[in-house]
Amino acid sequence: GAVVSQHPSWVICKSGTSVKIECRSLDFQATTMFWYRQFPKQSLMLMATSNEGSKATYEQGVEKDKFLINHASLTLSTLTVTSAHPEDSSFYICSARDAPGTGRLGDTQYFGPGTRLTVL
Amino acid sequence: DAKTTQPPSMDCAEGRAANLPCNHSTISGNEYVYWYRQIHSQGPQYIIHGLKNNETNEMASLIITEDRKSSTLILPHATLRDTAVYYCIVKANSKLTFGKGITLSVRP
Repeated sequence: GAVVSQHPSWVICKSGTSVKIECRSLDFQATTMFWYRQFPKQSLMLMATSNEGSKATYEQGVEKDKFLINHASLTLSTLTVTSAHPEDSSFYICSARDAPGTGRLGDTQYFGPGTRLTVL
Repeated sequence: DAKTTQPPSMDCAEGRAANLPCNHSTISGNEYVYWYRQIHSQGPQYIIHGLKNNETNEMASLIITEDRKSSTLILPHATLRDTAVYYCIVKANSKLTFGKGITLSVRP
């Protein structure tokens, strides 16, 4: 299988605080991980792409200093929402991909269950 | 990546086949067709993907037309748990671009 987990599954925080979300690939090594967010009744929007050991590549309009991404190992990536505000409340979803071309999972992305962030 | 077009919604009866269409008329030769689904408040679930040939796995079948400009995802025996938003995505590089998808409602 290809299992991706996220922790926590939901979090409520006060405005101005920082929140860290973890994404783990449980049964494969993820050379690349992706972070998405989804607002109510909307589709998923890619925020950033991270490769293990490298700096993340952010999509246009996503503040890299606000959404800190670390991909320090082949099985773990973290997204830290710094100085969170109510407008950051959203469903954050990560996905992970094996090594394209050589990994047993090919180029397919597998998604975590998501983390619902509510900022009061 | 090529854009895809899907109807906004459809429904089918439980136990019957659900045929979900997708148009991707601008698809390039090296672009794959991927299908994911998202059940409410969960992360997307990978279903199937293909390039040219029809594909089948334990979840579904993917039928791609010979000109590759459209495809159909077939759930052979839909159940109530198949109610979800289904996304058809054409991908060449590493990114997945999600559209609005098609909402499938399976009725008892």
